[in-house]
Amino acid sequence: DVKVTQSSRYLVKRTGEKVFLECVQDMDHENMFWYRQDPGLGLRLIYFSYDVKMKEKGDIPEGYSVSREKKERFSLILESASTNQTSMYLCASSLALAHSTDTQYFGPGTRLTVL
Amino acid sequence: GQNIDQPTEMTATEGAIVQINCTYQTSGFNGLFWYQQHAGEAPTFLSYNVLDGLEEKGRFSSFLSRSKGYSYLLLKELQMKDSASYLCAVRPYTGFQKLVFGTGTRLLVSP
Repeated sequence: DVKVTQSSRYLVKRTGEKVFLECVQDMDHENMFWYRQDPGLGLRLIYFSYDVKMKEKGDIPEGYSVSREKKERFSLILESASTNQTSMYLCASSLALAHSTDTQYFGPGTRLTVL
Repeated sequence: GQNIDQPTEMTATEGAIVQINCTYQTSGFNGLFWYQQHAGEAPTFLSYNVLDGLEEKGRFSSFLSRSKGYSYLLLKELQMKDSASYLCAVRPYTGFQKLVFGTGTRLLVSP
């Protein structure tokens, strides 16, 4: 079974802090994704990566950056956390683009609260 | 632009059948996914459609009409454990594995 793990289930930070959210997958997937999920807005893509050291902006990248130094690990960074970044953050991974039926596998999520 | 519409909430009774609709308008189309998400948990894959027609998988079926930009998820013999949110997601032709999600339909199954 594919396993996607995230470093924390719950996190509380203060405004202005630098926040790191870590995601690790164990299935050698090429693609990795970071989403945030908010009531009434659904899942929105922040950033994704299709290879080590490669990254692409999603729909809402402002205020975030990412890092992918190793294939299995994809980090989301909030350079200076703000209260409007309070949300559930979900990481996902999938196989390479050649497999059109490939689904995304999600981690359990990190509920981040910024005070 | 990308737009995916689903009802916000539905209720049904244990043992019944429920149909959750999804309509989409996207810049391209390369497949539609349905996910199930229980409260506080990660979304899990239910079904995938890329050609018109019905895909059946046990109690769950998913239908697609590309010309109408329409899909539905059919859940039969509802069980209490089916109470969850159901997410419709489209993969536009551009952006390979990138998915665009609807806001989800929360289904409540009552005894």
